Amino acid sequence: NAGVTQTPKFRVLKTGQSMTLLCAQDMNHEYMYWYRQDPGMGLRLIHYSVGEGTTAKGEVPDGYNVSRLKKQNFLLGLESAAPSQTSVYFCASSRQGYQETQYFGPGTRLLVL
Amino acid sequence: AQKVTQAQTEISVVEKEDVTLDCVYETRDTTYYLFWYKQPPSGELVFLIRRNSFDEQNEISGRYSWNFQKSTSSFNFTITASQVVDSAVYFCALSEDQGDSNYQLIWGAGTKLIIKP
Repeated sequence: NAGVTQTPKFRVLKTGQSMTLLCAQDMNHEYMYWYRQDPGMGLRLIHYSVGEGTTAKGEVPDGYNVSRLKKQNFLLGLESAAPSQTSVYFCASSRQGYQETQYFGPGTRLLVL
Repeated sequence: AQKVTQAQTEISVVEKEDVTLDCVYETRDTTYYLFWYKQPPSGELVFLIRRNSFDEQNEISGRYSWNFQKSTSSFNFTITASQVVDSAVYFCALSEDQGDSNYQLIWGAGTKLIIKP
């Protein structure tokens, strides 16, 4: 089992460019999440999904969109990148809801110039 | 409102010393879960433990132990005989049922642990 994987590992964007981050899990988990982590801070939830075809906003959703077309994949899109979106992005998955452990991918480091 | 406080921003100890990382939480629910994660310098987030609010037994796993006390709303983490490989940022987190799938894990700010050889 690969667990949770993220693509790419590192990316540099110019302001205004768009990109998609891909998260994949092979644990048959229902719930998936996208977080961002800024230096010296904990994690903040961007969007999450409680099942295939569903998405919901987290704490800091502005500037991001997500899609969950397949159960195993959760995509995070930046339509027009801004320097404030420079961060490390983590994807996570869990079997069900709040009572379950979230398992994290290795992270994607994004730099927006 | 739910909140997790890790008051120790950074702790530095010499190898083989014991060290305790504090975690204090706030919640209105009687059913909730507490977690600890480790983030080593390589950056990944590693799950360490999950504890539900109805289980106050202390847990020991090798050199790691956790002390859960509902009376003080604390879930502290102790490393015995610390090693350099324990150097990492440690996060405490809280989850509770917010209904209607409005789910969010509440994270502490993390404690950076430095183990000096």
